[in-house]
Amino acid sequence: EVQLVESGGGLVQPGGSLRLSCAASGFTFNNYWMHWVRQAPGKGLVWVSGIKSDGSTTFYVDSVKGRFTISRDNAKNTLYLQMNSLRVEDAAVYYCARSYDSWGQGTLVTVSS
Amino acid sequence: QFMLTQSPSASASLGASVKLTCTLSSGHSSNAIAWHQQQAEKGPRFLLRVNNDGSHIKGDGIPDRFSGSGSGAERYLSISSLQSEDEADYYCQTWGTGPILFGGGTKLTVL
Repeated sequence: EVQLVESGGGLVQPGGSLRLSCAASGFTFNNYWMHWVRQAPGKGLVWVSGIKSDGSTTFYVDSVKGRFTISRDNAKNTLYLQMNSLRVEDAAVYYCARSYDSWGQGTLVTVSS
Repeated sequence: QFMLTQSPSASASLGASVKLTCTLSSGHSSNAIAWHQQQAEKGPRFLLRVNNDGSHIKGDGIPDRFSGSGSGAERYLSISSLQSEDEADYYCQTWGTGPILFGGGTKLTVL
């Protein structure tokens, strides 16, 4: 069974940093593109960042470029999102997603002073 | 710019059927899409994939009441014998070797 389990969310002040993790199991992690998707309260799903199966290629939505870094450790079957210079508008539930067919349960990021 | 367009809302009666639409923007009508369901206060759940030939592949454990189809630039999610738990937001999504894209979502109300 495919499982994606996010962790690392929490309350942070504007300008602060957080590192999200997504532990994957039940499939061959290094065969898949992986993504981070976020959802602000009452809003739709928004893609944030994606990384190729071998980690060689990454993409970001314009609003997080230069502040967020996606990475993966295929030996540990884990996806990461390093979030720096956080803004109030980054507050959301962050989901880890496998390509198009699997989701984690999400981790809540709150940015507030 | 590649876009997926969904109607913001839909409604249907308990036990009835409903068909939700996702429209791919010009030049992208050959893309496959995925449909996801998000019930209130829950995370998204993958329902099925609709290929460009209109065939579909469902996710594990998805009831037979859910099916997918397509025509041209439109991809459909059909739900039959509507149940109260089908009341949810439904999102379509495309993917490839790069960024993924979501439609704005359709809020389905079961009357």
